Amino acid sequence: NAGVTQTPKFQVLKTGQSMTLQCAQDMNHEYMSWYRQDPGMGLRLIHYSVGAGITDQGEVPNGYNVSRSTTEDFPLRLLSAAPSQTSVYFCASGTENTGELFFGEGSRLTVL
Amino acid sequence: KNQVEQSPQSLIILEGKNCTLQCNYTVSPFSNLRWYKQDTGRGPVSLTIMTFSENTKSNGRYTATLDADTKQSSLHITASQLSDSASYICVVSEGDNAGNMLTFGGGTRLMVKP
Repeated sequence: NAGVTQTPKFQVLKTGQSMTLQCAQDMNHEYMSWYRQDPGMGLRLIHYSVGAGITDQGEVPNGYNVSRSTTEDFPLRLLSAAPSQTSVYFCASGTENTGELFFGEGSRLTVL
Repeated sequence: KNQVEQSPQSLIILEGKNCTLQCNYTVSPFSNLRWYKQDTGRGPVSLTIMTFSENTKSNGRYTATLDADTKQSSLHITASQLSDSASYICVVSEGDNAGNMLTFGGGTRLMVKP
C-alpha cells in the first residue's frame, strides 16, 4: 500500500543547477499538488493539478514547473536552483469528493 | 488575507497528561477545518476533518472542537503518549473538494517527555 511516493528524499544542488522531484500515487486520485514547508511557516502551495493534462499555479510558483501526463505522476522541476528554494517539499494527492489529502514523506532540498 | 494562527508554537508535557492546542482562523468562505499530525521528517497525516455544522469530532485520544461563530478550533489530546510528540497543523479549506484553496497554520510542536 504505497500511497504517495516522493523521490529523492534528500538532494543538494549548486546554484543554477536544475533537477526534478518525482511524485507518484497509486490511489487513482485526480488531484495532486506540491507544497513547500519552511521553518516557522505553514505549507505553501506551489502548483497543483486536477487531472491528467491540467495544471495550475499556487501561491508560490516562480522558479518551478510541473506537468501531468498521467494520473499517477506529478513531477516538480526546478529550472535554475536558487538558495531561496532550500526547503522541504511535499507532494499530496486527494479525491475531489472527500477533501482528504494524502501527503508523501517529503524531499529535503538544499541549494548552495 | 486568509490566515490561520496556532498557539502555542511549542509545548512540552509529561507522558500521561492532557493538553489542548488552539487554532484561530480568518479564512472566508469556510468549508471545513482539518487537523494534521506531522512526525519529524515525515509528511502530515490527517487526524480529523470538521465541516461548518460539526462542533466536535474524535479520533481515538484526539478530540477536535470547532466554533464557527468565533472562528476557533482546538485539538485536545488525552492521556498523552511519547508517540504524540510531533507537530500539529491546523488547516482551513474554502471548499469541499481536495483541490480547493487551503490555508495552513504554522503548527504547534508538541514534545511529550517520560
